[in-house]
Amino acid sequence: GAVVSQHPSWVICKSGTSVKIECRSLDFQATTMFWYRQFPKQSLMLMATSNEGSKATYEQGVEKDKFLINHASLTLSTLTVTSAHPEDSSFYICSARVTGLAGLRSYNEQFFGPGTRLTVL
Amino acid sequence: GENVEQHPSTLSVQEGDSAVIKCTYSDSASNYFPWYKQELGKGPQLIIDIRSNVGEKKDQRIAVTLNKTAKHFSLHITETQPEDSAVYFCAASKTGNQFYFGTGTSLTVIP
Repeated sequence: GAVVSQHPSWVICKSGTSVKIECRSLDFQATTMFWYRQFPKQSLMLMATSNEGSKATYEQGVEKDKFLINHASLTLSTLTVTSAHPEDSSFYICSARVTGLAGLRSYNEQFFGPGTRLTVL
Repeated sequence: GENVEQHPSTLSVQEGDSAVIKCTYSDSASNYFPWYKQELGKGPQLIIDIRSNVGEKKDQRIAVTLNKTAKHFSLHITETQPEDSAVYFCAASKTGNQFYFGTGTSLTVIP
């Protein structure tokens, strides 16, 4: 269980075009999904928190008009990189949060997608 | 906010030896500490986690220890194998809140 998929796994586009990346939770519902960006040999940088049915919350320094996030259903969140430029080239990873109760214990876990490699020429 | 530091950044061990990766955190309210393994070109995979009400957890060759007083937690891999080679990330979070990741440790297991 707790499988998260991303599509596409890699994409090459021309500068100035827009690219949409999909993140799906395959066997569970996720009210919250996260979008991360990862540069080579670096850690994951949280870009935004995506909540189903409401606006995404962006981290400081992330342009919300450039990185459009839509979380229209409990199993799908999309990240659109608008007017992409070479500096947007990166590895984009989504995750879905699973929360709940196991007896008296609450849990809060994240499961990651396989990532999307974006290259902007 | 939370600050997670991870050491070492790179680690090389001989096959069969043990590997230890350490993380410290700053927010005493953090109560969930997962470890992820990331192979080249793939997303992170959860390998083990620990909650603040537990001091140690083990799953076959992998174990995690937590010292709440000192605010540090460690990943221990015993009898390392070449397929253990990857980048490992620690994280800390409070229930319901975002995860804060360490900077990663690149582990190389030499056959």
